Amino acid sequence: KTQVEQSPQSLVVRQGENCVLQCNYSVTPDNHLRWFKQDTGKGLVSLTVLVHENDKTSNGRYSATLDKDAKHSTLHITATLLDDTATYICVVGRGSALGRLHFGAGTQLIVIP
Amino acid sequence: EAAVTQSPRSKVAVTGGKVTLSCHQTNNHDYMYWYRQDTGHGLRLIHYSYVADSTEKGDIPDGYKASRPSQENFSLILELASLSQTAVYFCASSDWDWGGAMKDTQYFGPGTRLLVL
Repeated sequence: KTQVEQSPQSLVVRQGENCVLQCNYSVTPDNHLRWFKQDTGKGLVSLTVLVHENDKTSNGRYSATLDKDAKHSTLHITATLLDDTATYICVVGRGSALGRLHFGAGTQLIVIP
Repeated sequence: EAAVTQSPRSKVAVTGGKVTLSCHQTNNHDYMYWYRQDTGHGLRLIHYSYVADSTEKGDIPDGYKASRPSQENFSLILELASLSQTAVYFCASSDWDWGGAMKDTQYFGPGTRLLVL
């Protein structure tokens, strides 16, 4: 059973618009949650990490929230650029000694002119 | 800057053949990982290693072997490649503190696209 669900599966926005990506998970324990950006044909690059209940982070035009009670996270991208076109992947870490990570399937974001 | 490189970047293999995927990191990280990515699915952990000359099974190790001859190098070996092993393979490295919480992100290589015919 998939333990990290992302929505929407894909999203098309016009350059300059804002968008919100969702991540729901059932991983327990949930030590931390990280958002990655994956450009086509490239590896994953970390955008931000959330650790505490009700954490909020900001990294330029990217901001994220975490609600550990609801096991839910959002990634907001403001004033999208064409270079934001990528797959955004939500990853939940259990924080166990083995450090296993649970990956979502990703949201494919396409930014059009 | 942290760097993970993979070779080859793409490969076509025949069913039943042997395939070796290589990974090299210059991050001085103890942990290295091999994942596979299939369309519509999240990355899945195949093998990982936290010290040279030792490897551990991940969540989907069947059909794969791993080798960590040094801190910098980690290989994934498909002794008898099968059609179901067609996927994109990612190598990653990370530092971990021994409390189990990730001290830093995992750094990913660019991936190897493997097609088994």
